[in-house]
Amino acid sequence: QLQLQESGPGLVKPSETLSLTCTVSGGSISGDSYYWGWIRQPPGKGPEWIGSFYYGESTSYNPSLKSRVTISADTSKNQFSLKLSSVTAADTAVYYCARHDRGYSGRYSVLSSDYWGQGTLVTVSS
Amino acid sequence: DIVMTQAPLSSPVTLGQPASISCRSSQSLVHSDGNTYLSWLQQRPGQPPRLLIYKISNRFSGVPDRFSGSGAGTDFTLRISRVEAEDVGVYYCMQTTQFPLTFGGGTKVEIK
Repeated sequence: QLQLQESGPGLVKPSETLSLTCTVSGGSISGDSYYWGWIRQPPGKGPEWIGSFYYGESTSYNPSLKSRVTISADTSKNQFSLKLSSVTAADTAVYYCARHDRGYSGRYSVLSSDYWGQGTLVTVSS
Repeated sequence: DIVMTQAPLSSPVTLGQPASISCRSSQSLVHSDGNTYLSWLQQRPGQPPRLLIYKISNRFSGVPDRFSGSGAGTDFTLRISRVEAEDVGVYYCMQTTQFPLTFGGGTKVEIK
């Protein structure tokens, strides 16, 4: 059974860098057919996609966050990470890591976001 | 970016009665491969979102058959044939046809 688990500080000061890690069990982040990514959800609001990668290929980022975001992978630990720099109170949210099913029908596509972690609340405050 | 708009914001439903949620995209969700990548997710209180439906009408593993999806192009619908107490939560449509992936604002299903 695939499981994703987010970890990292629950409190980050304004202007600092938010760092989170997603540990994957029951599946390999370097395996075929899946993208892996980060999604966040501010309190009381809908989800917002941050970015996703397919191992060995380029990473896609939300243009609204691209200048501040880096997603990287560590296959030796089967983990991937999120770094978001220069945070403000607007970055306060529950951060989820997720798997996206990849399809191919002549062109590659993202079929869905089929597995999500439980999420971790990150508060930006001094 | 593709903007996803859901209606209604809230849907009070009597147990055992049907519910319907609409989702409209700002542009066609037909991918260059001919498929349409529109998903529906359910978020129960205090839980992460859970995939219900993908590619407009395909139920994900373990999803009850009272959930169904339909639509094409820019207009999509999620239907619950007979609402049960465990269906309470917020429902989101999500497009994965192109990056950036985007979500609707959500529809809250509650029991009258």
